[in-house]
Formats: sequence, C-alpha cells, structure tokens
Amino acid sequence: QKEVEQNSGPLSVPEGAIASLNCTYSDRGSQSFFWYRQYSGKSPELIMFIYSNGDKEDGRFTAQLNKASQYVSLLIRDSQPSDSATYLCAVNEVTGGGNKLTFGTGTQLKVEL
Amino acid sequence: DAMVIQNPRYQVTQFGKPVTLSCSQTLNHNVMYWYQQKSSQAPKLLFHYYDKDFNNEADTPDNFQSRRPNTSFCFLDIRSPGLGDAAMYLCATSRERNYQPQHFGDGTRLSIL
Repeated sequence: QKEVEQNSGPLSVPEGAIASLNCTYSDRGSQSFFWYRQYSGKSPELIMFIYSNGDKEDGRFTAQLNKASQYVSLLIRDSQPSDSATYLCAVNEVTGGGNKLTFGTGTQLKVEL
Repeated sequence: DAMVIQNPRYQVTQFGKPVTLSCSQTLNHNVMYWYQQKSSQAPKLLFHYYDKDFNNEADTPDNFQSRRPNTSFCFLDIRSPGLGDAAMYLCATSRERNYQPQHFGDGTRLSIL
C-alpha cells in the first residue's frame, strides 16, 4: 500500500511569514510530485509540480524534493490570508491506463493577520 | 478558458435511487478520472479512462460505474446510492498516461436523503 503522509495541522503562521508544508511518501519508485491547494468545499487546485531533486520556484511558492529521503515540501513566502486552505501532497504512480495520484490527507494552513 | 466542467454542482438523491454525475472537458486530454472525497479525507480514485480504455480500482464498489461516450464527456453512475456514498465527487483530466499533472473540475457534492 503506497502511502503519502502529511501533518494535518492546523499550521498557523502570521501574515508575511514563510509557511513550510511537509510530505513524506513510501514508494521509492515515485517519479513526480504535486502540491494542490483546496479551499473548504472546493476542488483541489494545482499549485506546483516537481520531478527532479532540488528546488523549483514559482512566484511565492517553492517546491523542494529529496528522493533519497522520500521527502517533498512546499514553501510559501510572504504568506497571505488568502493562502489559508488545505494543501494536499500527491505522488504519482504510473499504471497501465494512466497516471494515478496517491494523495495525503492534507495540511490545513491558517495565515493570521 | 479551457477547463473541466462538472454538473451539477450539488445533487440530492434518495437512498437507493440511481444518480448520474457529469464531467466534460475542453482540454482535449486523453485521460479522465473520477475521485471520491469525504470530509477531511484525501481524494480516493474510483476509476479512470485512457481514451476508451476503462481502468477500475480494485476497491471501487460495484455500485459505481462509469461511461465515456467520447473524448470530451465522462459520466459517473451510482446505481443504488447508500448513505455512505454522500461525498464530493471530483473529475480530473491529464494529457497523457505519464507524469503530467491532473486538473480538477469544481466537483459535485452528493447528498443522500
């Protein structure tokens, strides 16, 4: 059973601070990693994806991947109240019919004024 | 804008009364997925299509079926909904069966009376 683990939170950070969200996964063969943002009652929205070890930056968001440690993280700089949401980590498994995502249960982020 | 569209946004049905949820996409993606997400849980993959090739997850109840009459549309049929089937149902697409990201529709929230 492939697993993706996240701290459920809530993670509270003050406005303007850096939020750090972490995720570990069990399948060493995983090749691609995704971060989705999900507001309450809404569907997941793709924020970042990363395939290679190291950092990938997009605006205020940085994804970090360490395959040796089976660890992926998301940093949000200059956190805003609008960033308050649940962040889902997802790990890809390629199957015969398509790419299957295994999701973590998400970390709830609260950005406080 | 190209997108994944789910209808209806909210669906109420009676215990045991068949219901169909709809998903359409203008992304021209080859792969379409159906997920079930219950409150505070990770999205759970029910099945997916690569073009016309149907792929069912081993633990998806027989009560759930799907149809993909063409590239653009995919349907989720619940033959005899039980109270435990109340959830958010998410449709997603990806371009190919490799490591590409999945893009979600807005979801359909299903309630069972």
